[in-house]
Amino acid sequence: GENVEQHPSTLSVQEGDSAVIKCTYSDSASNYFPWYKQELGKGPQLIIDIRSNVGEKKDQRIAVTLNKTAKHFSLHITETQPEDSAVYFCAAEAGGGADGLTFGKGTHLIIQP
Amino acid sequence: DAGITQSPRHKVTETGTPVTLRCHQTENHRYMYWYRQDPGHGLRLIHYSYGVKDTDKGEVSDGYSVSRSKTEDFLLTLESATSSQTSVYFCAISVGTGDSPLHFGNGTRLTVT
Repeated sequence: GENVEQHPSTLSVQEGDSAVIKCTYSDSASNYFPWYKQELGKGPQLIIDIRSNVGEKKDQRIAVTLNKTAKHFSLHITETQPEDSAVYFCAAEAGGGADGLTFGKGTHLIIQP
Repeated sequence: DAGITQSPRHKVTETGTPVTLRCHQTENHRYMYWYRQDPGHGLRLIHYSYGVKDTDKGEVSDGYSVSRSKTEDFLLTLESATSSQTSVYFCAISVGTGDSPLHFGNGTRLTVT
C-alpha cells in the first residue's frame, strides 16, 4: 500500500516569513495529494489539493508543488501569520480503491511573533 | 464541518467494556471512514464503508467492528476496549474514492482506563 513520509515534524518560523513542509510517497499510481490543517480540538480541514496532471497550484498565501518523477510534494505558506499556527498533514490516494487517503504523520507549525 | 456529527465527543470507559461511537452525516455521501489519531502516528484508517451494509477493513482494524445500516450513520464498535485503544477517533465522509477529498468531523476523545 501507499506510504507517506512528512518532514519536518516541527517547524518554527518568524511571523511574515515563509514555511515549507515536504512529503514523499511510495505508490507511483497515486494521483491525488491533499493538504489538511488541524487546529486544537478540531478535525482536519482541507486547505488545498493537487492532482497529478498539475505541477503547482496556488490559493492566496498557500501553494502546493508536485514532482511525480521524484514522488514528492510540498506545501508553501508565504507571509505567515499567527493564525497559521496549527498541525498540517499531507496525504496521498491510498491505493486507487475506496480506502481513502494515506496520511503523513503531521507537522506542527509554530509562528513566532 | 461538512454536516458531520460525532457522538459522544468525550468518553471514559474501563478496560473490557464495549464502546460504540457514532458518526452521522447530512450530506448523503456514499463513502464514510473511521480514522484514529495518535501522537507520532498521524491518522490511520480503521474501517471504511462504500455504501449501506458495505464495509471493509483498514490498516488498523484489529479489535474494531463497524456497521452501516443507513446512508447517514456509520458506527464504530470496540467489542472489549483495551488501553491501546485510547485515542482520538475521527469520522470522515467523501463523495468519491481515494481521489476525492475527505471531510472530517470534530472527533471523539476516548480514554480506556
